[in-house]
Parts: sequence; C-alpha cells; structure tokens
Amino acid sequence: DTAVSQTPKYLVTQMGNDKSIKCEQNLGHDTMYWYKQDSKKFLKIMFSYNNKELIINETVPNRFSPKSPDKAHLNLHINSLELGDSAVYFCASSQVALSGPQYFGPGTRLTVL
Amino acid sequence: GESVGLHLPTLSVQEGDNSIINCAYSNSASDYFIWYKQESGKGPQFIIDIRSNMDKRQGQRVTVLLNKTVKHLSLQIAATQPGDSAVYFCAENMGGATNKLIFGTGTLLAVQP
Repeated sequence: DTAVSQTPKYLVTQMGNDKSIKCEQNLGHDTMYWYKQDSKKFLKIMFSYNNKELIINETVPNRFSPKSPDKAHLNLHINSLELGDSAVYFCASSQVALSGPQYFGPGTRLTVL
Repeated sequence: GESVGLHLPTLSVQEGDNSIINCAYSNSASDYFIWYKQESGKGPQFIIDIRSNMDKRQGQRVTVLLNKTVKHLSLQIAATQPGDSAVYFCAENMGGATNKLIFGTGTLLAVQP
C-alpha cells in the first residue's frame, strides 16, 4: 500500500534519447509535484499539477513535459536527454486546500551517458 | 558511494545525545514550515511541521522551534539514535494557492555509536 510510487527506480540512457518517468499516488491528494535533486542534494520544484491543471511551472527546459492523465498520476517525459539532466527526480503529492505537507516518492535516479 | 564529493553542513553527535539542526528561511511571508528526513537512497520523509502562528511544536522525540523575528527554524531530536542518521531539510511554504515549497540546503546528521 505504497503512498507515492515511481517507476523506474533507476534509468540509465544515452544522450539524445527520450525517456519517461511515471508517478502514482493513492493518498487521494489533489496536487502532485516533480522535483529534481542534484548531486549536492539540492531539491528544486519543477512542476505541479492540481486536478490535472498545471499550477507551477518553474524555469525548466521545454524538453521536460509533465502529463497528468488523472489526479492520481503525474508522468514526466524528457526529450533529447543531456548530460546535465542526470539527477534524482522525485514525485510528491499533497492536498493543497489543507496547506499540509507534501509526501514524496522513492525517487528515480536518472543517469545520462 | 553517494556521499563522495558531497559537502553538506554536517552535525556529528554521540548516540543518546540531543541534536539541534538549524535552518534560516528566506521569505518573511512564509506561513508554514516543514522538516524532512532523507535517508540514503530514499525520498524525503515528513517529520514535523509548524505554522507561523506557533513558535513551538512537539512530536515524538522531535521538537520544532520557529523564530519569525530572525527567520530561523530549528529541529531538536532528543536521545539521538543511529537510525536518525540522515540528511535533514527544512522547507518553507510560500503561501498562496500552489502550496509551493522552497527547500533549504540540508544538514547531514551523523550519529556516532
């Protein structure tokens, strides 16, 4: 009964490829997020969706495109992968109306060769 | 390993001692604050939160103190155990409808047996 799950856990790919990371939450939350954590452990918000509507879109290259088929799922598609995209990507969810904590998934470690 | 080249602020304590992890936040308008614990290879885990109308909140073995005058947050862990070894992040909620969190840089807590 994992609360926030992500697949895959590890992703190793070549520069220039396109890849997707999937996220699902079973907490009944209305908002989901993507974060990027760099090699220095710095966590930065990338995107947020509330009820399938994009509400946060930080300064992220257009190669990154989030997609939310329903409020329990938020996927991240990355085109033309670059070396600098190597990082750990975390999905999170929360109930915005409660202004409560965000709950994080286990992360996807992306390595671009 | 994962910590090679990582230069996070580090707090080293003896098992059984109390730990105090400090955090300075940036936005005086932030009204909600969260502490997260991140163990190696895992996602950030919610520990405790506090709203700006409070200056202290206690949980099980943890206490969060908020000083809005100097924009300072601290996490106190009583009787620190080896399982407390992790990176600890504070996060501030910028308010508004997006529930956007801004994370601090993280502190590595190393518990010596």
